[in-house]
Amino acid sequence: RKEVEQDPGPFNVPEGATVAFNCTYSNSASQSFFWYRQDCRKEPKLLMSVYSSGNEDGRFTAQLNRASQYISLLIRDSKLSDSATYLCGSQGGKLIFGQGTELSVKP
Amino acid sequence: SAVISQKPSRDICQRGTSLTIQCQVDSQVTMMFWYRQQPGQSLTLIATANQGSEATYESGFVIDKFPISRPNLTFSTLTVSNMSPEDSSIYLCSVEGLGGNNEQFFGPGTRLTVL
Repeated sequence: RKEVEQDPGPFNVPEGATVAFNCTYSNSASQSFFWYRQDCRKEPKLLMSVYSSGNEDGRFTAQLNRASQYISLLIRDSKLSDSATYLCGSQGGKLIFGQGTELSVKP
Repeated sequence: SAVISQKPSRDICQRGTSLTIQCQVDSQVTMMFWYRQQPGQSLTLIATANQGSEATYESGFVIDKFPISRPNLTFSTLTVSNMSPEDSSIYLCSVEGLGGNNEQFFGPGTRLTVL
């Protein structure tokens, strides 16, 4: 089993939709979690950090469930510019990434 | 936020040769890491670049193949030795400790093609 797992998608949604991604992790010692956004042929950019139960930044909400060992990312009112691959990272000594979830927002 | 640069940004190399990739940060950081991202894949941690001592390698990566240097708190190099086409990938450095927390930020990457 991979240490961090994500649904690879692709998720194809219309503009304005709400979309949620889940990410599960196996290392119960992990203390910090991150969502990165990666555009095609670019480096990952940090989107959100999650240290406690959750975090919210505008249209983006991340939630952490330690009992079930998963992190979610909710995007509300999705925009065309949200199209990208979203990487989940779990840090328990070192930062390990899931395989990424591809999102495509259509007009 | 800091500026992280990598050189070269891309290269095409012949089988059996070696390439050294440089990562430079414009401020001192606690930790530096090297990742590989193969086509269509996520990021895989190669090693932690330790300042003043040998790098810490992840399972599947060895020093003879990927020697790493970190002479100070702002600079690191990764060498891909005796390259084969399977080494074709994007190599990214990342840094941690910019804001006093454990968030990691990535350099722009080096796109390597081995013929």
